[in-house]
Amino acid sequence: AQTVTQSQPEMSVQEAETVTLSCTYDTSESDYYLFWYKQPPSRQMILVIRQEAYKQQNATENRFSVNFQKAAKSFSLKISDSQLGDAAMYFCAYLGGADGLTFGKGTHLIIQP
Amino acid sequence: DAGVIQSPRHEVTEMGQEVTLRCKPISGHNSLFWYRQTMMRGLELLIYFNNNVPIDDSGMPEDRFSAKMPNASFSTLKIQPSEPRDSAVYFCASRRTGGRLQETQYFGPGTRLLVL
Repeated sequence: AQTVTQSQPEMSVQEAETVTLSCTYDTSESDYYLFWYKQPPSRQMILVIRQEAYKQQNATENRFSVNFQKAAKSFSLKISDSQLGDAAMYFCAYLGGADGLTFGKGTHLIIQP
Repeated sequence: DAGVIQSPRHEVTEMGQEVTLRCKPISGHNSLFWYRQTMMRGLELLIYFNNNVPIDDSGMPEDRFSAKMPNASFSTLKIQPSEPRDSAVYFCASRRTGGRLQETQYFGPGTRLLVL
């Protein structure tokens, strides 16, 4: 079974600084997708960014980018120019042959003003 | 697009009562997922449907849980009888299945269930 590990239960960053959230996963599949979801206090799950494993180029969405290392099974999220609205729980998720997402335990991101 | 719609948003009930959670997927999406989020277990998949047919219900915790999808625009998750340990946030998600660019699941706002 696939597993997703987020080793940082909590991270804190100063507003306007850059922060990187870590995620590693374990799989024997060669074709899969990886996602970062944001969950603010409202509990809504919001897609931040997605990466297809067959693509070598790292995905980017405005201030959000990933560092996808397929051989190392690592998928970190970098948030540049952190804003107060970025404060939330961030979940790394894996999608492979089975259709359901496998989530990590999450990282609580705190933005210090 | 209205997004995935879930109702109720909050539910408080007493142990032993029946609870029904409802979900309307995004129009045109043909896969629907039910997830549960708890502090202890995090986010976990309960069941999912493709084209209204249940595909994998291995995540359903026990027989007290059941899910149906009578048509493409509606699904229910029922707990009968409910127990305090069922207290959680229940999410519904949907996606359009059919190609590499269509693998993203979109989540509803969740139903926060409290069983007393």
